Amino acid sequence: DGGITQSPKYLFRKEGQNVTLSCEQNLNHDAMYWYRQDPGQGLRLIYYSQIVNDFQKGDIAEGYSVSREKKESFPLTVTSAQKNPTAFYLCASSYYRGTEAFFGQGTRLTVV
Amino acid sequence: EDKVVQSPLSLVVHEGDTVTLNCSYEVTNFRSLLWYKQEKKAPTFLFMLTSSGIEKKSGRLSSILDKKELFSILNITATQTGDSAVYLCAVGSNDYKLSFGAGTTVTVRA
Repeated sequence: DGGITQSPKYLFRKEGQNVTLSCEQNLNHDAMYWYRQDPGQGLRLIYYSQIVNDFQKGDIAEGYSVSREKKESFPLTVTSAQKNPTAFYLCASSYYRGTEAFFGQGTRLTVV
Repeated sequence: EDKVVQSPLSLVVHEGDTVTLNCSYEVTNFRSLLWYKQEKKAPTFLFMLTSSGIEKKSGRLSSILDKKELFSILNITATQTGDSAVYLCAVGSNDYKLSFGAGTTVTVRA
């Protein structure tokens, strides 16, 4: 089935550690996105990419890094520089700019 | 900086009521406005609007865009408890950026 797969669903991390969240899509979409959602809030854009080997910072990129080496993959690394990493992270993809974005089921990251 | 502002932030209604949700935006290189419904985890797509004044409908939900005044509304008529969710407004730009508002939490009571 076509779709977006995020893994893992739940992730625990100790303070000071980097952690990488996986996002894979088999929809042949060009654009991919990472969002962060805190309780009771909307989605805040971390990074986005419209093509392989190119990506742009969103509104809250500090403390995060990404790569786009393959069209279907857009992993997000939460670094130790991110001061409040505990959140729900959503990955999305879309076929073209401004078109419907499809979402993965999310990864809930907890720093312990 | 791009802005997408939704109002109200939350509301509680009774089954059968009509709900109107608002979304205003200030975005460079506007391309489209999208509405999503989020019940638990992944938001699900409702509408995409690109032209002013053309209403889009799906069952009891409808939406319209005003590109001159930079806002959109989402209407839900004859609400049901299954409409309880967070409704998210997003704006897509020509540079591929897709920005979301804070969402409106709708609670429908039986």
